This record gives sequence, structure tokens and C-alpha cells, in this order.
Amino acid sequence: KQEVTQIPAALSVPEGENLVLNCSFTDSAIYNLQWFRQDPGKGLTSLLLIQSSQREQTSGRLNASLDKSSGRSTLYIAASQPGDSATYLCAVIFSDYGQNFVFGPGTRLSVLP
Amino acid sequence: ETGVTQSPTHLIKTRGQQVTLRCSSQSGHNTVSWYQQALGQGPQFIFQYYREEENGRGNFPPRFSGLQFPNYSSELNVNALELDDSALYLCASSSLTGDTEAFFGQGTRLTVV
Repeated sequence: KQEVTQIPAALSVPEGENLVLNCSFTDSAIYNLQWFRQDPGKGLTSLLLIQSSQREQTSGRLNASLDKSSGRSTLYIAASQPGDSATYLCAVIFSDYGQNFVFGPGTRLSVLP
Repeated sequence: ETGVTQSPTHLIKTRGQQVTLRCSSQSGHNTVSWYQQALGQGPQFIFQYYREEENGRGNFPPRFSGLQFPNYSSELNVNALELDDSALYLCASSSLTGDTEAFFGQGTRLTVV
């Protein structure tokens, strides 16, 4: 069974810190990986998409890396702000599992002013 | 802001009733996927529609059914509602090849009492 896990489950940091969120997946044969942000009770906002042939993607203060061989992706957030407080979800499309996302459980981030 | 719109935003139904949720797709996308998200968990794949045909299904019973229309919008129908069907229902608009970002709607919060 294809699975995605995320650690930590929750994280609380003071404003201004750089932080790393981790995502692991059970099979290196992936099609792509996408990071999402979810505010409480809301839908998902796409942050970064990494294709299987790519190693990293950057958008503003966000950088996501992909290491297929070890089954890991990290989301790096630089100079965190209170507005970054949300749940961050990692989602993987596995190559032999259909064209649907398998989601991790998410990391709940709180950035304290 | 994405072009994916879900309706209604909130819904309360009684156990045993039937419900229909709706989703518009992003311009340029031909695939719609539906996910169920229980409180505190990552979204779970229900099914995907491509060119008006079901193109993959997760571990959900047949009382979960769907439609896709020629304009690529979609409906999710749930019959014989159970208390455990209470969740946030999310739809995602994407290309079938998955080579571009998937975009999610804001979700429909369904409460079954």
C-alpha cells in the first residue's frame, strides 16, 4: 500500500525562524509531489509542485526538495511569519497507483508573534 | 484564488438521506477528483472523472457516485448517509497527465445528524 507520512505532526515556532517540514513516501516510483497549505476548515492552496525529474522548486520564501531514492521531500520556510500558521500537506501521485494524490496527515504549524 | 468553485459550502443532512455536492473545474483542466477529509486527517481519494467517465476509485462504497459534465464540472452524490460521512469534501481540478498543478476548491462541509 502506498503511504505518505509527515513529521512533525505539529510545530510551534517564534516569528522569524527558518523551519523545515518533512514528508516521506513508501515508493520511489512517483509521478510528482505537491505541497499544499490548508487554513482551518478551508480548502487546499497549492504551494509547490515538483515533478519526478526535478530536485527542487522555489517560490518566494518557500523551497521544496525531492529525493526519490530515499523517499523524502522537505519544505523549507524562510523567515517565518504569523500568517504562515496553517496545516501543510504533502501529496504524492505514485506512478503505478492511478492519477490521484495520496496525502500525508499534515503538519500543523503555529508561528508566534 | 483558483477557478475551482464548490457548492454548497456547508450542509446539514439527516442519516439515511441523499446529498449532491457540486464542483466547477479550472479553465484548461479536463479532470476532476473528489476527496473526503475527516477532522484532523489528510484527504482520502474517493474517485476521479476524466471525459465524463470514472477514471479511478478509492476505497469507498458504491453509495458514493459521481458525474462529470461536458464542461468538465462534476457532482458527487452520496446515498443513504451515515454519521461517519460527516467530513469536508474537496474537489480537485487537474490535467489527466498530472504535469501541472492541481487546484482545489474551498470544500463542502457536510454534517450528518
